[in-house]
Amino acid sequence: KAGVTQTPRYLIKTRGQQVTLSCSPISGHRSVSWYQQTPGQGLQFLFEYFSETQRNKGNFPGRFSGRQFSNSRSEMNVSTLELGDSALYLCASSLAMNTEAFFGQGTRLTVV
Amino acid sequence: QKEVEQNSGPLSVPEGAIASLNCTYSDRGSQSFFWYRQYSGKSPELIMFIYSNGDKEDGRFTAQLNKASQYVSLLIRDSQPSDSATYLCAVTGAGNMLTFGGGTRLMVKP
Repeated sequence: KAGVTQTPRYLIKTRGQQVTLSCSPISGHRSVSWYQQTPGQGLQFLFEYFSETQRNKGNFPGRFSGRQFSNSRSEMNVSTLELGDSALYLCASSLAMNTEAFFGQGTRLTVV
Repeated sequence: QKEVEQNSGPLSVPEGAIASLNCTYSDRGSQSFFWYRQYSGKSPELIMFIYSNGDKEDGRFTAQLNKASQYVSLLIRDSQPSDSATYLCAVTGAGNMLTFGGGTRLMVKP
């Protein structure tokens, strides 16, 4: 059974640019959550989608957005990149509400 | 604000010993509790989850939950050098939003 797939694995962007990250959940999983991990702040919740609806949103500026498609694949977008957006972005897949979450390998974003 | 607290460590144990990792949480409405292991440069890997008070065992791992004390722990028996990693405690309320602790770095010395 394939795991959670995130693409790309690595990205280098310039300040002011925008970026789109992709996540394909485990087959059959309908919930996708996104997290940002930095050395200083640890793992922080960005948002969660379930059946194409955003169910929860973390405390991040509006530059961070996401969506989920009918096949449960999800994308997150960060506009007007700042140096502080450099982080490991992780996607987690869950079968249903309040069930175990399995993480993808992450996308490491570097903003220069 | 929901908080999850862990001792950052490092927690150093000799090979073969029991490693005990602890976590406290502030939200009494928390429903599910998870332990993830994260090796340096890798993504978190789910190793244990527990929903109800008491102990849950899986191989060398035992998770313990005490909702009255708002306390979750992870015991690793017969610790191996390959267990050296950062262990993350996470809790959820309604939905799948995970609130993570800062992690405890475990070092198992041969």
